[in-house]
Amino acid sequence: DVKVTQSSRYLVKRTGEKVFLECVQDMDHENMFWYRQDPGLGLRLIYFSYDVKMKEKGDIPEGYSVSREKKERFSLILESASTSQTSMYLCASSGRHTHYEQYFGPGTRLTVT
Amino acid sequence: AQKVTQAQTEISVVEKEDVTLDCVYETRDTTYYLFWYKQPPSGELVFLIRRNSFDEQNEISGRYSWNFQKSTSSFNFTITASQVVDSAVYFCAPSEGNTPLVFGKGTRLSVIA
Repeated sequence: DVKVTQSSRYLVKRTGEKVFLECVQDMDHENMFWYRQDPGLGLRLIYFSYDVKMKEKGDIPEGYSVSREKKERFSLILESASTSQTSMYLCASSGRHTHYEQYFGPGTRLTVT
Repeated sequence: AQKVTQAQTEISVVEKEDVTLDCVYETRDTTYYLFWYKQPPSGELVFLIRRNSFDEQNEISGRYSWNFQKSTSSFNFTITASQVVDSAVYFCAPSEGNTPLVFGKGTRLSVIA
């Protein structure tokens, strides 16, 4: 079974703090994704990566950056957290050998106060 | 660019009723994939089905069935004899091969006992 894990289920941070959200997958997937989910807005793509050290902007990259130093790990970074970044963050991975089905982690609910 | 519309924001049914969730998509490519995901109250997105644009056969899996109509760009999902455990948010998402899924805003289904 594909396993995508996220470092925290719940996180509370203060405005202005630097926040790291970690995601690890164990299926040797090439692709990894970060989405945020807000009520009434569905899932919106923040960043994605097709390979190690590669990154592509999604629909709402402002205020975020990412890092992919190893194939299995994709980190989302909030350089200076703001209250507007309070949200549910979902990580996903996909690969050619699993027909590009995206497998999701359990999500991190981030609250910025 | 891809786009998906799930016109039903919320649906409420009584247990054992059949229910159909609508999905209309837009895509530029002639080759694409269509996905359905379920998000139960626990929050984790669960993959339900992937359909290739070449395959217009309807699919049935237990109480679930999918109707793919390429002529109307629709990929509707029917749950027969609904159960309380079917209560969740359901997302439809197209993908043009190895590209991120584009999610609709989802349909929240409530099944009342």
